Amino acid sequence: GAVVSQHPSWVICKSGTSVKIECRSLDFQATTMFWYRQFPKQSLMLMATSNEGSKATYEQGVEKDKFLINHASLTLSTLTVTSAHPEDSSFYICSAHQASGLSGELFFGEGSRLTVL
Amino acid sequence: GDSVTQMEGPVTLSEEAFLTINCTYTATGYPSLFWYVQYPGEGLQLLLKATKADDKGSNKGFEATYRKETTSFHLEKGSVQVSDSAVYFCALTTNSGYSTLTFGKGTMLLVSP
Repeated sequence: GAVVSQHPSWVICKSGTSVKIECRSLDFQATTMFWYRQFPKQSLMLMATSNEGSKATYEQGVEKDKFLINHASLTLSTLTVTSAHPEDSSFYICSAHQASGLSGELFFGEGSRLTVL
Repeated sequence: GDSVTQMEGPVTLSEEAFLTINCTYTATGYPSLFWYVQYPGEGLQLLLKATKADDKGSNKGFEATYRKETTSFHLEKGSVQVSDSAVYFCALTTNSGYSTLTFGKGTMLLVSP
């Protein structure tokens, strides 16, 4: 089946630095990718929808200047956590939509665990 | 708005026991329903899905039936294995392109030998 890969799978950074997480669809083109945040023992919270060639659409309460999303190609979306702080520590998961006619399916990356010291 | 409610975990079972994880939903329109599984340290994987009432999704011994009358999509397996230990998420979408999902909070399953 389709594969979505995230990199890095885990990262530790100092407070105040920026971290970039990549999400790639390996064997299909995805015009739309989604970024989620998962807190411990909680569900996935949709942060933003990443559209190739246009600006991302952010969910209410998500700071667009804090979480920069770039979808530069049909196989790559990046999430940059700017000026990270300990409260940004979380598990970030991306998904990519593989369109198929009028429907399609979502495929998820393996997630990226961010720890901010 | 749309929502998904799952039973709280963890669910702790012995190997070969019968599993039920309850899931109920509220949605406008006619949603498609999904179960995703998340193994430790990994992302989500689609386990099974059902797109209309009375459909039964099945995969790897797991089953779930789309019950419109009770707005439920309970996950079942007749005999669990240690390797089934994971977090299970029920989800729905009312988007015909399946491009957005509403997730439940997840239910952790722990299976002991």
